[in-house]
Amino acid sequence: DVVMTQSPLSLPVTLGQPASISCRSSQSLVHSDGNTYLNWFQQRPGQSPRRLIYKVSNRDSGVPDRFSGSGSGTDFTLKISRVEAEDIGVYFCMQGTHWPRTFGQGTKVEI
Amino acid sequence: EVQLVESGGGLVQPGGSLRLSCAASGFAFSSNWMSWVRQAPERGLEWVAHIKPDGSEKYHVDSVKGRFTISRDNAKNSLYLQMDSLRVEDTAVYFCAREVGRTVDYWGQGTLVTVSS
Repeated sequence: DVVMTQSPLSLPVTLGQPASISCRSSQSLVHSDGNTYLNWFQQRPGQSPRRLIYKVSNRDSGVPDRFSGSGSGTDFTLKISRVEAEDIGVYFCMQGTHWPRTFGQGTKVEI
Repeated sequence: EVQLVESGGGLVQPGGSLRLSCAASGFAFSSNWMSWVRQAPERGLEWVAHIKPDGSEKYHVDSVKGRFTISRDNAKNSLYLQMDSLRVEDTAVYFCAREVGRTVDYWGQGTLVTVSS
């Protein structure tokens, strides 16, 4: 199985300041169709995960533009340009290129 | 509005069985792959199984293969997970999820399965 490794696992943040989460995969996530199926999810306390980013850098509808995704191959990053209070929660990366789909361990973003 | 509502979780003894259900609404259920994903505190998120729109193809992760079976009833807009020979390590919140383009775009609220004697 493809192992997804996130860092850091805990990220203390300051409101209004930027934040960045890294996700590395044990194999390339480039699919034979040319797409890279790397996704980012946010899970607020007591809620289900919510997708923020799909195929590395595409923001979902309704996701604030302070969230951005980048990367290629095996190395990916989620950035929050200016952290707001509602951004507190756990962030997961997930690869959909290989079966089984696998997730990172999660990064807890806290004040 | 896409809605996924799971039910059927609960407390069961090791070796027991449970059947989870997911009622879908707000989209063309019969056109989408559907998945079950579980979340356990010690082990994070784990993809359990997914099923093709017409039910003709199913994939289960190795840790549940031979014990869990995913199925669907498109006439009822419903997804199911039959869980047999349950183990303590199957304890988790189980989410029903819509799969689109090798990702999940909508999740249900989850149903808790606790396997304990």
